[in-house]
Amino acid sequence: AQTVTQSQPEMSVQEAETVTLSCTYDTSESDYYLFWYKQPPSRQMILVIRQEAYKQQNATENRFSVNFQKAAKSFSLKISDSQLGDAAMYFCAYSPMNRDDKIIFGKGTRLHILP
Amino acid sequence: EADIYQTPRYLVIGTGKKITLECSQTMGHDKMYWYQQDPGMELHLIHYSYGVNSTEKGDLSSESTVSRIRTEHFPLTLESARPSHTSQYLCASSQTGLKRKLFFGSGTQLSVL
Repeated sequence: AQTVTQSQPEMSVQEAETVTLSCTYDTSESDYYLFWYKQPPSRQMILVIRQEAYKQQNATENRFSVNFQKAAKSFSLKISDSQLGDAAMYFCAYSPMNRDDKIIFGKGTRLHILP
Repeated sequence: EADIYQTPRYLVIGTGKKITLECSQTMGHDKMYWYQQDPGMELHLIHYSYGVNSTEKGDLSSESTVSRIRTEHFPLTLESARPSHTSQYLCASSQTGLKRKLFFGSGTQLSVL
């Protein structure tokens, strides 16, 4: 069965510091997408960053970057220069390339930013 | 940023009532989804649609039903609400070719007493 595991229910980071959120997944597929979604309090969930499994280069979006380790089935999110607006629930998600109805989410990590 | 709307935002209702949760998107996306999310838990897909007149059940069994008569509209209906239906319901859409990028609505928090 395909699963996504986020082992850190909550994390805190000082403003302007760097934090890394962990995610592991299990699949027998070779082609898939991985995502990090952000859900701020009482606001819409938005896509933060996406990685295609066939790409070896780690995806980056401004202050957000990932460490994608395909063999280890690990997909961590690094947030640099943390800002108060980064406080949210972060969900890791997986989707096999051949099933666009199948997007599996982890349980989320709640990130607190300390001023 | 996202042009996908859900109403109502909050709904408190008694057992046995029929309810419809509304979801509309103005982006012309072909795919739409309904997810159920309990506090501290992952999102579970309960319904999805590839296009008009196309609906399928998701991995999580649900007593709700959906319809897709228009591209932009994907309502979810519960014929007889029960306390076990209490949850947050998230609607999302995506477009073929956008590599699975989901656009989410703000959600409906349903409480059945």
